[in-house]
Amino acid sequence: GENVEQHPSTLSVQEGDSAVIKCTYSDSASNYFPWYKQELGKGPQLIIDIRSNVGEKKDQRIAVTLNKTAKHFSLHITETQPEDSAVYFCAASLVDDYKLSFGAGTTVTVRA
Amino acid sequence: KAGVTQTPRYLIKTRGQQVTLSCSPISGHRSVSWYQQTPGQGLQFLFEYFSETQRNKGNFPGRFSGRQFSNSRSEMNVSTLELGDSALYLCASSYMQGGVNTEAFFGQGTRLTVV
Repeated sequence: GENVEQHPSTLSVQEGDSAVIKCTYSDSASNYFPWYKQELGKGPQLIIDIRSNVGEKKDQRIAVTLNKTAKHFSLHITETQPEDSAVYFCAASLVDDYKLSFGAGTTVTVRA
Repeated sequence: KAGVTQTPRYLIKTRGQQVTLSCSPISGHRSVSWYQQTPGQGLQFLFEYFSETQRNKGNFPGRFSGRQFSNSRSEMNVSTLELGDSALYLCASSYMQGGVNTEAFFGQGTRLTVV
């Protein structure tokens, strides 16, 4: 089955700086890569996703890049704010097979 | 539009008992997936239902089962509870577009504690 590895496990950044989280996946057939943000006491919230026919996608301060050859994808958050503090999860699946395989998560702390 | 609703939010059960958790998907969403979240194992896929049929299943023992009703609401059941079943159980719903599932929206989860 699919195995997703996520690094780093914790990340502390100064407010206004950028944060980068990296994930690798094992199944070359995976073609859908969402990122979720989970705040304490809440369920994961989708923040951005990318499909394998696209190399990069941006949404305001958030961007995701995908390298299918190397089987890795990354989340970039620019101009971080205290409300960006949360646990972030990457995931991978086939578009038509709704079984998400998640990374272990990255706890992001934005220092004011 | 209301989000994914899971009930109850918290449960405490005794080892050996069984438990049923409920999930109401977003209106119009016919796919419902269940995940178990623990500090040690992270987020793990349990199963997915679409139009009352289980389409996909994760690597969990047969004590974990689910079903989906004609209104897309779903339940999962865990029988003969073990201490290791203590976890946050998350439900996610999505809709089909062009024959494929779109993004999954998660509920707040049910926190199950087995004592």
